[in-house]
Amino acid sequence: EPEVTQTPSHQVTQMGQEVILRCVPISNHLYFYWYRQILGQKVEFLVSFYNNEISEKSEIFDDQFSVERPDGSNFTLKIRSTKLEDSAMYFCASTGGLGETQYFGPGTRLLVL
Amino acid sequence: AQKITQTQPGMFVQEKEAVTLDCTYDTSDPSYGLFWYKQPSSGEMIFLIYQGSYDQQNATEGRYSLNFQKARKSANLVISASQLGDSAMYFCAMRGVQTSGSRLTFGEGTQLTVNP
Repeated sequence: EPEVTQTPSHQVTQMGQEVILRCVPISNHLYFYWYRQILGQKVEFLVSFYNNEISEKSEIFDDQFSVERPDGSNFTLKIRSTKLEDSAMYFCASTGGLGETQYFGPGTRLLVL
Repeated sequence: AQKITQTQPGMFVQEKEAVTLDCTYDTSDPSYGLFWYKQPSSGEMIFLIYQGSYDQQNATEGRYSLNFQKARKSANLVISASQLGDSAMYFCAMRGVQTSGSRLTFGEGTQLTVNP
């Protein structure tokens, strides 16, 4: 069964460093998402991406964040200068259509020291 | 704006019994979708069940069913014949295209513990 994959599963970084989180969505899906979950809290939407551009973003997704689909399979989230409060689980999700179910990857647990 | 409320931070159930996890929602969208996801301790988000706002029947998927009461704006998850492996965090989520695009809005979650 097709699934969303994410790498790395865990990442530890120093405050101020750049990190890139990688995702491979399900192959025939067209809509891609990033969500984050701070430890013990609910899942929050960051950004959605369709047709090689951002379709919507939340207030969390400020200038330090960017997304890219560098090739036909990968979808990345870059955090330019990490802060302590960026420590969270980051989930990638994909769906084949706006009215369809979003399937989540296993997440990347980011720890900023 | 959309809002999901899960009022049960924690629930306990005996193995083989049924349990209901509550979810209420608020939206001005005329058309929306409701979802339940399971998050085990390992952290991944597993899709369980979906209910469309115009679906005439309550959704069912194996041991999972969704008790959808549109007038009350509730979408409770019912797990029948609980198993030890059902112990996890459960999140209710919704999507309303007109007011919030395709993003999912999640509730705070309910931690379910199945006792042997």
